[in-house]
Amino acid sequence: QQPVQSPQAVILREGEDAVINCSSSKALYSVHWYRQKHGEAPVFLMILLKGGEQKGHDKISASFNEKKQQSSLYLTASQLSYSGTYFCGTETDSWGKLQFGAGTQVVVTP
Amino acid sequence: DGGITQSPKYLFRKEGQNVTLSCEQNLNHDAMYWYRQDPGQGLRLIYYSQIVNDFQKGDIAEGYSVSREKKESFPLTVTSAQKNPTAFYLCASNNFSRTDTEAFFGQGTRLTVV
Repeated sequence: QQPVQSPQAVILREGEDAVINCSSSKALYSVHWYRQKHGEAPVFLMILLKGGEQKGHDKISASFNEKKQQSSLYLTASQLSYSGTYFCGTETDSWGKLQFGAGTQVVVTP
Repeated sequence: DGGITQSPKYLFRKEGQNVTLSCEQNLNHDAMYWYRQDPGQGLRLIYYSQIVNDFQKGDIAEGYSVSREKKESFPLTVTSAQKNPTAFYLCASNNFSRTDTEAFFGQGTRLTVV
């Protein structure tokens, strides 16, 4: 079953922050986050494993609440390069079956 | 350089024809996947394979077929039974390591029915 992402889209000005949420009705083993630019392949951002960890990559970070089966991606002090569609991918076990949400389109304007 | 290669980049199909999309990886990954992406939509899982000679249906397998005869190859056939095949198709691969299941994607194949 595909995870549910929200919001569907967000428009930011450079320097503003945003949060993208990803939730699942099933117990999760891991959550992945990817960013896709128009017409290109998705690019890996980070993985969070069950255990409720938080990770960061430059000014993009994420958390994973294992009890709620939810993950959030935080875009801090957004840059123009952050524009794109963000997807969360979830695995319910260690066998690596990866399913993606519908995506969140992020537009960062000058 | 290690990576995952899809071909062709663009493909045109006539109504009623079968077409095969190629996906090859040299990352020594166990698992391979096929996803379909429609405009403005997410990635929907068509088929996936965790080991050679085995594969499982995803959420939208009807009208598609796959094979996994070699670890590095996972071709997808779009059959004439797939009524609306025009889409962007992405192949991905990853491993089962507990700490390293990052998925790598190919550059995609854009299929258009003419």
